[in-house]
Amino acid sequence: NAGVTQTPKFRVLKTGQSMTLLCAQDMNHEYMYWYRQDPGMGLRLIHYSVGEGTTAKGEVPDGYNVSRLKKQNFLLGLESAAPSQTSVYFCASSYRDSRWPGELFFGEGSRLTVL
Amino acid sequence: SQKIEQNSEALNIQEGKTATLTCNYTNYSPAYLQWYRQDPGRGPVFLLLIRENEKEKRKERLKVTFDTTLKQSLFHITASQPADSATYLCALPVTGGGNKLTFGTGTQLKVEL
Repeated sequence: NAGVTQTPKFRVLKTGQSMTLLCAQDMNHEYMYWYRQDPGMGLRLIHYSVGEGTTAKGEVPDGYNVSRLKKQNFLLGLESAAPSQTSVYFCASSYRDSRWPGELFFGEGSRLTVL
Repeated sequence: SQKIEQNSEALNIQEGKTATLTCNYTNYSPAYLQWYRQDPGRGPVFLLLIRENEKEKRKERLKVTFDTTLKQSLFHITASQPADSATYLCALPVTGGGNKLTFGTGTQLKVEL
């Protein structure tokens, strides 16, 4: 099993450009998440999904859009990149169990630089 | 608002000693708390989960305590090794379903020979 796979791993954008980060998981998890990690700020939740076809806002959603058309994929889009979006982005997934809070499985991260 | 605090200063200890990391939180009454390990350039990896009704949880050389009165969790690594050097994150659930977590900024641990 590959677990959670993120592509691309590195990307450099110019201000105003758009791009999409792809996250794929092969664990049949219901829940998926996008976090960003910045020095001194820790991991902050951008958007998340509790199932195929559903998305919801997290703590810092502005400037991002997401889609979950297939259960195994969760896409994060930047329509008009800004330097403030320079960060490391992590995708995560977890299973759904009402009796037991699940751990999050993280990808290796995507490092985005916006010039 | 909910807040998680971890010591931002790196913790340097000698091999073989016990490392103790602290996670404090305010404005929370979490049902559980999780600890993750993160190596440079990698994603966080889950280590342990402790529920509010559990005082202590152990896994091999790891031990976590959870004091809901003090609003604090302590993370211990006994007989530490250089391979334990990493950043350790604590995480608490966010209300609203979806198994969402909010993370502390992490404490970097360095185990020296």
